[in-house]
Amino acid sequence: DGGITQSPKYLFRKEGQNVTLSCEQNLNHDAMYWYRQDPGQGLRLIYYSQIVNDFQKGDIAEGYSVSREKKESFPLTVTSAQKNPTAFYLCASSLPGAGANVLTFGAGSRLTVL
Amino acid sequence: RKEVEQDPGPFNVPEGATVAFNCTYSNSASQSFFWYRQDCRKEPKLLMSVYSSGNEDGRFTAQLNRASQYISLLIRDSKLSDSATYLCAVQKTSYDKVIFGPGTSLSVIP
Repeated sequence: DGGITQSPKYLFRKEGQNVTLSCEQNLNHDAMYWYRQDPGQGLRLIYYSQIVNDFQKGDIAEGYSVSREKKESFPLTVTSAQKNPTAFYLCASSLPGAGANVLTFGAGSRLTVL
Repeated sequence: RKEVEQDPGPFNVPEGATVAFNCTYSNSASQSFFWYRQDCRKEPKLLMSVYSSGNEDGRFTAQLNRASQYISLLIRDSKLSDSATYLCAVQKTSYDKVIFGPGTSLSVIP
């Protein structure tokens, strides 16, 4: 079955460490997104990519980095510059132009900074 | 002003009640609108897209008011299983970023 796989599901990090969250999709979607969700809050956009080798900053890109070397993959690195990284991270993908641009989400990664 | 805002909630309603949520957006050039449902500690899933003429899916009805820049979601005959957070999402074109509102929490009480 097609879908989006995020890993790890849970991650603990010490302050000052960089961590990379994986996002892989086999839906043949062109666009991919990373969102952050804090408890009781909505989704805030970190980065998004419409095509391979291109990506744009979202509303809260500071302290994060991404790459889009393959259509299927859009990893997110949470750097030590991100001051409050504890959150639920959601990756999504979509097929722009195919009617309404519906997002399909992965199951998420929960990052906790100790 | 946030780009997308929603009723803060939470909404606590008895089974069988009708409940309505509103969502306002600031960019008048927005073209695509959605309602997503998110269960506790899970990923959001599409509930329904919102079309200009309004659309209905069973007990759920979505409306779009471009003049006032808001979308609404009406849930009739609420079920316990409707308890979740409802997120509205807005997009300018299909090649632009998708922006979510903060969500409205619904609890349906027996």
